[in-house]
Amino acid sequence: DAKTTQPNSMESNEEEPVHLPCNHSTISGTDYIHWYRQLPSQGPEYVIHGLTSNVNNRMASLAIAEDRKSSTLILHRATLRDAAVYYCILRDGGSGGSNYKLTFGKGTLLTVNP
Amino acid sequence: AAGVIQSPRHLIKEKRETATLKCYPIPRHDTVYWYQQGPGQDPQFLISFYEKMQSDKGSIPDRFSAQQFSDYHSELNMSSLELGDSALYFCASSYPSGSSYNEQFFGPGTRLTVL
Repeated sequence: DAKTTQPNSMESNEEEPVHLPCNHSTISGTDYIHWYRQLPSQGPEYVIHGLTSNVNNRMASLAIAEDRKSSTLILHRATLRDAAVYYCILRDGGSGGSNYKLTFGKGTLLTVNP
Repeated sequence: AAGVIQSPRHLIKEKRETATLKCYPIPRHDTVYWYQQGPGQDPQFLISFYEKMQSDKGSIPDRFSAQQFSDYHSELNMSSLELGDSALYFCASSYPSGSSYNEQFFGPGTRLTVL
């Protein structure tokens, strides 16, 4: 799996937007960009994914650069419950059903201040 | 909604003992993954099963084995436990529909402590 680079930590204030960046300069054409997060003492949780176009869901938005070498996870209004480690993960969409594992790198620890 | 169930939630073992961790996927999910997360570390993929067959293997020690049963639940068997096996073990399940973007649903984890 291609590597991703994220800042070690970021800080935000409650009810403000948060932009979490991810660099993936070696991304291949078949790689999907996934975001998971892990709240303290819990298992990882799916947030969002995309391939080329920007994506929105109830949790967040994903903005993908035109060259796909970077992406940004956007939390529109951070809450205390959003404090977690956020992982940007590339998953090969061309390897078939036997290669759906998640390869976690060093994610970003998001701190939300009240 | 039903979630992934893992048992036990906590397990304490002595060195060289054996441990068995169980995972019950979300109904109709036929793919199970096991991950290990050491203290202060990120989750690392161990092994996965699709339709009761091993589908992928990561950095899983030879002392560990796993299988998926006919009801799709999975068990991770760990023998000759070492202090370094102390970690959180997560199970995740997903329903593959032929694409790679199916989200994985994680269980709460089993915390294994080896003394």
